[in-house]
Amino acid sequence: NAGVTQTPKFQVLKTGQSMTLQCAQDMNHNSMYWYRQDPGMGLRLIYYSASEGTTDKGEVPNGYNVSRLNKREFSLRLESAAPSQTSVYFCASSVRVNTEAFFGQGTRLTVV
Amino acid sequence: EDQVTQSPEALRLQEGESSSLNCSYTVSGLRGLFWYRQDPGKGPEFLFTLYSAGEEKEKERLKATLTKKESFLHITAPKPEDSATYLCAVLNYGGSQGNLIFGKGTKLSVKP
Repeated sequence: NAGVTQTPKFQVLKTGQSMTLQCAQDMNHNSMYWYRQDPGMGLRLIYYSASEGTTDKGEVPNGYNVSRLNKREFSLRLESAAPSQTSVYFCASSVRVNTEAFFGQGTRLTVV
Repeated sequence: EDQVTQSPEALRLQEGESSSLNCSYTVSGLRGLFWYRQDPGKGPEFLFTLYSAGEEKEKERLKATLTKKESFLHITAPKPEDSATYLCAVLNYGGSQGNLIFGKGTKLSVKP
């Protein structure tokens, strides 16, 4: 009964390094999302994939890229990490876009 | 500008002391309003979706209601295990598909 699984759970990067956050869901959902959560701010959408084969920008896409690898997996890549990207990142999925989303446990990323 | 405001920011209750959390929104046209619960170090957990003014939904000690300008999450006779941050999110017709607008949350503490 895994739901949405994110890896890694914690990561520390140096400025300029790159990394990929992985996300997989086992609920046969069509839509997947990447959010970031910062203290004092609400969750903000980075990118989403309404269905396999499509991706679209959300509210804060700059500095990120995504890949919808297949129906189950949706990855988020930071090509050149910056301290402003220090945040908690959540992956989520839903049956279809704009319906209730189910979230993973989050990845706490620190860029120094 | 589309906005979602939650109040209060923090609420401390004694076990059994009922209260309400508020989510007020300013959007061009409401497509849906979502309530989530978030425990420390975890991802948000879906609670309710409301679509039209006058709609109500219940789950255990929680009841969510919706008007044209705000939503309330009523907590009846809360228990310590209800302690969490409660998030409200709005989906509007004017916004881009997939982009929920989240409030900053209300942190609820229930003391035994």
